[in-house]
Amino acid sequence: NAGVTQTPKFQVLKTGQSMTLQCAQDMNHEYMSWYRQDPGMGLRLIHYSVGAGITDQGEVPNGYNVSRSTTEDFPLRLLSAAPSQTSVYFCASSYQTGAYEQYFGPGTRLTVT
Amino acid sequence: QQPVQSPQAVILREGEDAVINCSSSKALYSVHWYRQKHGEAPVFLMILLKGGEQKGHDKISASFNEKKQQSSLYLTASQLSYSGTYFCGTQYNNNDMRFGAGTRLTVKP
Repeated sequence: NAGVTQTPKFQVLKTGQSMTLQCAQDMNHEYMSWYRQDPGMGLRLIHYSVGAGITDQGEVPNGYNVSRSTTEDFPLRLLSAAPSQTSVYFCASSYQTGAYEQYFGPGTRLTVT
Repeated sequence: QQPVQSPQAVILREGEDAVINCSSSKALYSVHWYRQKHGEAPVFLMILLKGGEQKGHDKISASFNEKKQQSSLYLTASQLSYSGTYFCGTQYNNNDMRFGAGTRLTVKP
């Protein structure tokens, strides 16, 4: 089991560029989510999915899109990068929501100049 | 609404105990606790569910006061490996998780 994998590990973008952060899990988990972590702010939920074909917005969804076409993959798209999106992005998965632990990927450090 | 954690930081000597608190202004479905070391991903410690069920770590205990919407994490006989930032995550329904700003714990020899 690879667990939760994320690519790339590091990325530098110019303002206005778009890109996709990849996330995959091999544990057959139904629930997947994306967080961003900024210094002193903890983890903030961007989008989540409770199963293939079902996504919903979290606390800070603006500027990001997601889709879930398979159980394994949950990519996060930045539509037009802004310096305010400079952050560390974590993908997480769990068997289901609520009463199950979340497994986090290693993170993607994104810098927007 | 993000939960509020206290203290923001704590420094201990090996063998000392610590308590980290997490409080919410809304009724909670569950409370999750995670530890994150610098440059790494958060790692699961404990889940406390409405109704009293707990799942988690053998050497770490926690409580969940449903009336006060508060949870506390108890770290006893701390070890150097306990150093890191501790986050509580709260779920108000089954899907939406909110994390506190974190408590930085430093354990010194």
